Amino acid sequence: GQSLEQPSEVTAVEGAIVQINCTYQTSGFYGLSWYQQHDGGAPTFLSYNALDGLEETGRFSSFLSRSDSYGYLLLQELQMKDSASYFCAVRGNFNKFYFGSGTKLNVKP
Amino acid sequence: GAVVSQHPSWVICKSGTSVKIECRSLDFQATTMFWYRQFPKQSLMLMATSNEGSKATYEQGVEKDKFLINHASLTLSTLTVTSAHPEDSSFYICSARPNRVPSYEQYFGPGTRLTVT
Repeated sequence: GQSLEQPSEVTAVEGAIVQINCTYQTSGFYGLSWYQQHDGGAPTFLSYNALDGLEETGRFSSFLSRSDSYGYLLLQELQMKDSASYFCAVRGNFNKFYFGSGTKLNVKP
Repeated sequence: GAVVSQHPSWVICKSGTSVKIECRSLDFQATTMFWYRQFPKQSLMLMATSNEGSKATYEQGVEKDKFLINHASLTLSTLTVTSAHPEDSSFYICSARPNRVPSYEQYFGPGTRLTVT
């Protein structure tokens, strides 16, 4: 089976840096993705890590440690528009994705 | 590019009726599409993988006779909720994986909110 854990909620102020952790236990693992979802909207792709290490895309970075079954999403220079839910998702067998429970990020002025 | 649409965006139906939800990839072809279900403030739960030209594969615990999936073309997959009951009320989201890109990419539709009364 698949099991992914994320904190349920995180609060930070504008301009700050926040890290959202994800730990997973899966029967098959090919990579870890991160998605952003605003209330009532569709998830949008942020990043994907297949190998260990840090991937940087603008203000967002994602890290993976396969030996620790752990990854995180790092958001820098937080903006109000970053307030949303963030999901990690494991790419498993047959290219299926299994999502974590989601972390609601609240950015305050 | 990589736009996925869903129709309808919301639907209210009576218990016992069936509802069809369409998922279309507008500017790309997708042999594989996925159907998810999301409860309020919860995660996306993978229901099934829709494969063009072949039967869908369902996740454990998802009733294939309840949630009928048809992937009739490279740009269209449909999910039919048969004999809907109030517990089927949920947000249903599809995603499509373009044939031409790395297999970790998928693009999500805007979702369909189903309310069964």
